[in-house]
Amino acid sequence: DAKTTQPPSMDCAEGRAANLPCNHSTISGNEYVYWYRQIHSQGPQYIIHGLKNNETNEMASLIITEDRKSSTLILPHATLRDTAVYYCIVARGSQGNLIFGKGTKLSVKP
Amino acid sequence: GAVVSQHPSRVICKSGTSVKIECRSLDFQATTMFWYRQFPKQSLMLMATSNEGSKATYEQGVEKDKFLINHASLTLSTLTVTSAHPEDSSFYICSARGGAGWDTQYFGPGTRLTVL
Repeated sequence: DAKTTQPPSMDCAEGRAANLPCNHSTISGNEYVYWYRQIHSQGPQYIIHGLKNNETNEMASLIITEDRKSSTLILPHATLRDTAVYYCIVARGSQGNLIFGKGTKLSVKP
Repeated sequence: GAVVSQHPSRVICKSGTSVKIECRSLDFQATTMFWYRQFPKQSLMLMATSNEGSKATYEQGVEKDKFLINHASLTLSTLTVTSAHPEDSSFYICSARGGAGWDTQYFGPGTRLTVL
């Protein structure tokens, strides 16, 4: 599975959009981009995933570049409860394992 | 999203004893289940993958005789830590994925194991 690169930490003001970047320059054509987050001492929570097209759900939006070498997770209106470690993972859908990197620690501040 | 539960949420045991952790998919049939371990301030590390009715596949460096995994039904997998030692103290997390066409894994809330 391809590896990803994320900034170790980011801050965001409450109510503002949080944009979390992820680089995955070695992604293969059949690999998806997944985003999970982990709030302290809890299991990871699924946020969103995509293959080629941009995706949006009730939690977030996922923007994938045309060459698929990078993506951005957007939390449109961050709240204090969005403070967590966010993991960007590349994996082969129903056939792949999720291998976690170090993620980005997002701190939402009042 | 789909719901995965774990039991117990927290367990304390004496060194040398065995501990069983259950992972259940509550509202879907989990063809594949995964077990992860997470040490403090570290990321999740995949330990093993199991398909219903088959033997688990362990990641390199994970002792299969120490971490026994059973996936006997489509909604239940168990992880047994045998002859636990203090260095086995960790946060154990399971995840589950449905059958063909399921792209997403859903995670349980985790089990905190402390070995005295």
